Amino acid sequence: DADVTQTPRNRITKTGKRIMLECSQTKGHDRMYWYRQDPGLGLRLIYYSFDVKDINKGEISDGYSVSRQAQAKFSLSLESAIPNQTALYFCATSPRTDTQYFGPGTRLTVL
Amino acid sequence: GENVEQHPSTLSVQEGDSAVIKCTYSDSASNYFPWYKQELGKRPQLIIDIRSNVGEKKDQRIAVTLNKTAKHFSLHITETQPEDSAVYFCAASIIGGFKTIFGAGTRLFVKA
Repeated sequence: DADVTQTPRNRITKTGKRIMLECSQTKGHDRMYWYRQDPGLGLRLIYYSFDVKDINKGEISDGYSVSRQAQAKFSLSLESAIPNQTALYFCATSPRTDTQYFGPGTRLTVL
Repeated sequence: GENVEQHPSTLSVQEGDSAVIKCTYSDSASNYFPWYKQELGKRPQLIIDIRSNVGEKKDQRIAVTLNKTAKHFSLHITETQPEDSAVYFCAASIIGGFKTIFGAGTRLFVKA
């Protein structure tokens, strides 16, 4: 689904570095989400935003922060990356019907 | 807190056989139950969903059933094909609510 894009697609970094993952969408949805995927743990919610002025923590927000720069842009930051943040990160958008439209994912490795 | 349990974690079937994946949710207020398919290296994509006012929904070879009393729902794939091999996630949410809770996923292998 090219309407939701993520950059970078792959990133290798070192412990202690600051990392930003970016998400953009052209679907016109107000709701945006950041998920983390680990093997056997499914998709876990990090942060979600229902509009530019609304930011909410998900179930695993510790160590992460977000910024909703515009309706179409939602960024995830790791202020000081640690190895257990190595994972596949997905951005998603949804209309009020709750169907989630995912971006292609960012594979992050923290050494 | 809210929880969605999904079983089995891995399922292997012969091509042409049926596959069933089951999920149980904890929040009785949930009224929207989507299923997502994630092929290797790809993003999860919606394949079918059901709302709480319906007990069953079918789309070609896939169907979903919902038992609100027991708080569980299932995905049924008939006449499986190798291209059905993927990870399948169930999820539960409240329409218009705050968030979607995902199950841990089922890795389905369809052997040719």
